[in-house]
Amino acid sequence: AQKVTQAQTEISVVEKEDVTLDCVYETRDTTYYLFWYKQPPSGELVFLIRRNSFDEQNEISGRYSWNFQKSTSSFNFTITASQVVDSAVYFCALSGLRIQGAQKLVFGQGTRLTINP
Amino acid sequence: GAGVSQSPRYKVAKRGQDVALRCDPISGHVSLFWYQQALGQGPEFLTYFQNEAQLDKSGLPSDRFFAERPEGSVSTLKIQRTQQEDSAVYLCASSLPLVEVGPNNEQFFGPGTRLTVL
Repeated sequence: AQKVTQAQTEISVVEKEDVTLDCVYETRDTTYYLFWYKQPPSGELVFLIRRNSFDEQNEISGRYSWNFQKSTSSFNFTITASQVVDSAVYFCALSGLRIQGAQKLVFGQGTRLTINP
Repeated sequence: GAGVSQSPRYKVAKRGQDVALRCDPISGHVSLFWYQQALGQGPEFLTYFQNEAQLDKSGLPSDRFFAERPEGSVSTLKIQRTQQEDSAVYLCASSLPLVEVGPNNEQFFGPGTRLTVL
């Protein structure tokens, strides 16, 4: 079975601070994909990043960076110099490789991030 | 528009009523997913279509839930005899099919339908 755990339910920081959102996953698949989505108050899930299990390189996109460590089954997300617009619920998700079948996503519980001015 | 659209955005039903939720995927996307998101939780998979074929319905919580996509485009999620525990946001997502080692499995989500059962 696949499982994603986001232990941090809520995080609150002051603007310009760096913040890291933790994600730990469980899967028996040898090939899998990891995702981060952002859900602002409007409710729509916004795709941030996809990482496949073969690629453990860390990735940086502007103020966002992701640290994938297979050895600890973790895929953590860091926002540098946070801004008020970063306030949202962030979800980590996992899917396995299927040729014909569903690429259903298994989501964590989400971390509500509040950036205070 | 270019994104996934869902209607209605909000639905209030009395317990026992039937409801129908509509999803218009991105044009050309063959894969369509339904997820249920309870308050304060992450989305949970309900069902998956590849074109008009429903390939996975393992997440549907009961036989009161039924989904269809008869022409491989628009999909409808129907809930019969709604109960209070059905109150949630129902999210639809679409994507291109995954090729063997292709990256095209990003799911694009609609804004959801918030269902409240009184």
